[in-house]
Amino acid sequence: AQKVTQAQTEISVVEKEDVTLDCVYETRDTTYYLFWYKQPPSGELVFLIRRNSFDEQNEISGRYSWNFQKSTSSFNFTITASQVVDSAVYFCALQTGANNLFFGTGTRLTVIP
Amino acid sequence: EPEVTQTPSHQVTQMGQEVILRCVPISNHLYFYWYRQILGQKVEFLVSFYNNEISEKSEIFDDQFSVERPDGSNFTLKIRSTKLEDSAMYFCASSEGLAGSSGNTIYFGEGSWLTVV
Repeated sequence: AQKVTQAQTEISVVEKEDVTLDCVYETRDTTYYLFWYKQPPSGELVFLIRRNSFDEQNEISGRYSWNFQKSTSSFNFTITASQVVDSAVYFCALQTGANNLFFGTGTRLTVIP
Repeated sequence: EPEVTQTPSHQVTQMGQEVILRCVPISNHLYFYWYRQILGQKVEFLVSFYNNEISEKSEIFDDQFSVERPDGSNFTLKIRSTKLEDSAMYFCASSEGLAGSSGNTIYFGEGSWLTVV
């Protein structure tokens, strides 16, 4: 069975602080993909990143970075120098042999000006 | 940038009424999906669709639900007789390829809020 755990339900940070959102996943598949999506207050789901299970290289995109560690089944997301526009709910998701995504329960990030 | 579009953005309907939610997937995508998010909860998979047939569905997708691709561009979700618990945001999504392929990123539309009263 597949499972995605986002233990942090809500996080508040002051603008310009760094923040890390945790994601732990479970799957018996050896090939899988991990995703992060952002859901701003307007409600849409915005794709941020996809990572496959064979690529443990960390990735940086501007202020965003992702740390994938198979040994701990984690795919954590760090926002550096947070901004008010980063306030949103962030979902981690897992895709295995089937095409559908299993989502975590999300982490609500509030960046305080 | 190509995007998934959904209509309506918000619909209020009476319990027992039929609802059709519409979606236009990204034009070169071959796989289509519906997901649901009850207010404040996580996003849940409903159904996936490929080559004019359902390829996978969840337990939520019971006989009250159906999907259709009536023409070359639209993809619809029909709820036959809505219940109060069907109130949720419904997301349409599409992907170019299957899991395991380079084009398996699933892109979501902006969602359709359904309120059943």
